[in-house]
Amino acid sequence: ETGVTQTPRHLVMGMTNKKSLKCEQHLGHNAMYWYKQSAKKPLELMFVYNFKEQTENNSVPSRFSPECPNSSHLFLHLHTLQPEDSALYLCASSQGGTGGIPGYTFGSGTRLTVV
Amino acid sequence: AQSVTQPDIHITVSEGASLELRCNYSYGATPYLFWYVQSPGQGLQLLLKYFSGDTLVQGIKGFEAEFKRSQSSFNLRKPSVHWSDAAEYFCAVGGLTGGGNKLTFGTGTQLKVEL
Repeated sequence: ETGVTQTPRHLVMGMTNKKSLKCEQHLGHNAMYWYKQSAKKPLELMFVYNFKEQTENNSVPSRFSPECPNSSHLFLHLHTLQPEDSALYLCASSQGGTGGIPGYTFGSGTRLTVV
Repeated sequence: AQSVTQPDIHITVSEGASLELRCNYSYGATPYLFWYVQSPGQGLQLLLKYFSGDTLVQGIKGFEAEFKRSQSSFNLRKPSVHWSDAAEYFCAVGGLTGGGNKLTFGTGTQLKVEL
């Protein structure tokens, strides 16, 4: 039990589908993150949320739409994806703000395959 | 801008041999440094972290790392590697900012253990 739970673990979707990835943390953290991990590439930060507010969008295409309804939940809504979007999507959480302590707790990831 | 360099993409060691994984960082202030490990298809697990104080930090699974400010390095070591240590290892640097605790990761070092 890592404290950060991601569902589903695996997802196969067509390019015209709409799906959502879910992340939930029970650590009392107030910052949450989406990362993309592609084969043979470094971890790419996609979005950062602090206290439910988006504080960073790393030039992510609009076909990825994040949602953070509260500090414990984070979603990534997907639509009209491309095959190159196939990757492992990792969610992480941490204590946020200037009083927080750096360092993330990661979920196990969602392995996404776009066909 | 903060950055992390892991110069070794792949390392192979024999079981029982010692291990050192290299990490060099660039950060404008006092860095917070981390080592994470990732098994195939899994998320990243924190091995150890350095915030301040003793420059030799102990982590889980028998790993340790030494912070050397003069060399901007934070190398990971283990005296005797076990076959179960085969995985990918990521070094990360970050700090406290008003926008949240953004970590920057290296590209990872894939460790193979020969029996």
